[in-house]
Amino acid sequence: KNEVEQSPQNLTAQEGEFITINCSYSVGISALHWLQQHPGGGIVSLFMLSSGKKKHGRLIATINIQEKHSSLHITASHPRDSAVYICAVRVNYGGSQGNLIFGKGTKLSVKP
Amino acid sequence: DSGVTQTPKHLITATGQRVTLRCSPRSGDLSVYWYQQSLDQGLQFLIQYYNGEERAKGNILERFSAQQFPDLHSELNLSSLELGDSALYFCASSKNLETQYFGPGTRLLVL
Repeated sequence: KNEVEQSPQNLTAQEGEFITINCSYSVGISALHWLQQHPGGGIVSLFMLSSGKKKHGRLIATINIQEKHSSLHITASHPRDSAVYICAVRVNYGGSQGNLIFGKGTKLSVKP
Repeated sequence: DSGVTQTPKHLITATGQRVTLRCSPRSGDLSVYWYQQSLDQGLQFLIQYYNGEERAKGNILERFSAQQFPDLHSELNLSSLELGDSALYFCASSKNLETQYFGPGTRLLVL
């Protein structure tokens, strides 16, 4: 079982729809990152969370530390949001502090 | 533009060869991380350096090594290359344990 699980693996939405991507993890963490990887391969860090909720434009990220779960929401989705969204957790055990463990990503396609 | 640069962008080489990938972090960032992204394994953490010292090690093969120089740029050396080493190699930088900024990646193809 992977330490970081994302769902769904693939998601197709119509422009304007509200989108939710989920991430569950099974290890002790000090922070959780949401990353966006564009079709060309570049990776952009969207959020880093250790508790609560963060909002940036149409993107909202939440984390529930007790339930070991995070969600990424996109409101009023647009075709330019089409990308792979990757959840990554920063572990806080042993000598590996700072390491990121990645989920396999959610491929989002938003149709006009 | 994240401010992190990586060279080269693309690299094609043969099995058994050795290559060096280079990363320049954002100005002021002391930490450099190396990641490998392959089709079957996804993104994996390889190694982290902080201000010239190795800080953490992940799934890095013994054939791979890295270092961070006094000017904070970092190099990842891959030797005795195998077909399975073909992947995208990213470096990222951060100030200590804050948000990581990713470089554009080096696409390595081993033939």
